[in-house]
Amino acid sequence: AQSVTQLDSQVPVFEEAPVELRCNYSSSVSVYLFWYVQYPNQGLQLLLKYLSGSTLVKGINGFEAEFNKSQTSFHLRKPSVHISDTAEYFCAVSRGYNFNKFYFGSGTKLNVKP
Amino acid sequence: DAGITQSPRYKITETGRQVTLMCHQTWSHSYMFWYRQDLGHGLRLIYYSAAADITDKGEVPDGYVVSRSKTENFPLTLESATRSQTSVYFCASSPGGGVSEAFFGQGTRLTVV
Repeated sequence: AQSVTQLDSQVPVFEEAPVELRCNYSSSVSVYLFWYVQYPNQGLQLLLKYLSGSTLVKGINGFEAEFNKSQTSFHLRKPSVHISDTAEYFCAVSRGYNFNKFYFGSGTKLNVKP
Repeated sequence: DAGITQSPRYKITETGRQVTLMCHQTWSHSYMFWYRQDLGHGLRLIYYSAAADITDKGEVPDGYVVSRSKTENFPLTLESATRSQTSVYFCASSPGGGVSEAFFGQGTRLTVV
């Protein structure tokens, strides 16, 4: 079965500091990769996605992620976080023979402190 | 309004009762999904549908029933609710074609007492 691992359940960080949220996946076939953000009591919104092409993907709100096939990773980064980035972040994958099913990691809660 | 809407947003029900969560999308997306969100588990796929009258099980289908008689609606029914089904349920849709993300509703918080 497809596995998506988010290595950190919680990440505390001070405002204006850089942050990296880690995501690893396991798949023997090609994948599409996604990062979603969930603000309190809301649904999930897409931050960015990797389908093909450049391995560095830029998304909304200043976030970016890098697809590393050899390490099967898709880590999310932001060079300078704001209080408003406090939310839960989910990594998701769809895999080669059924791109229309999405599998999610367990989520990482980003807590930005003033 | 365009988009994907879930109803109700909050629901409390008793053990053993049948409850149906509604999901409606206005984009005519082919694919629709039901996920449950629990602490420590992220989102787990319950059922999905590739088109009207086509549904399939996800990772955690036991205790749930779905139907999709119309493209825009994808209700989820708990036939006999149990406390372990207390969760936040998210409906999502996707146009399919392999290159599109899923679009999510606001969620339904279900409490089974």
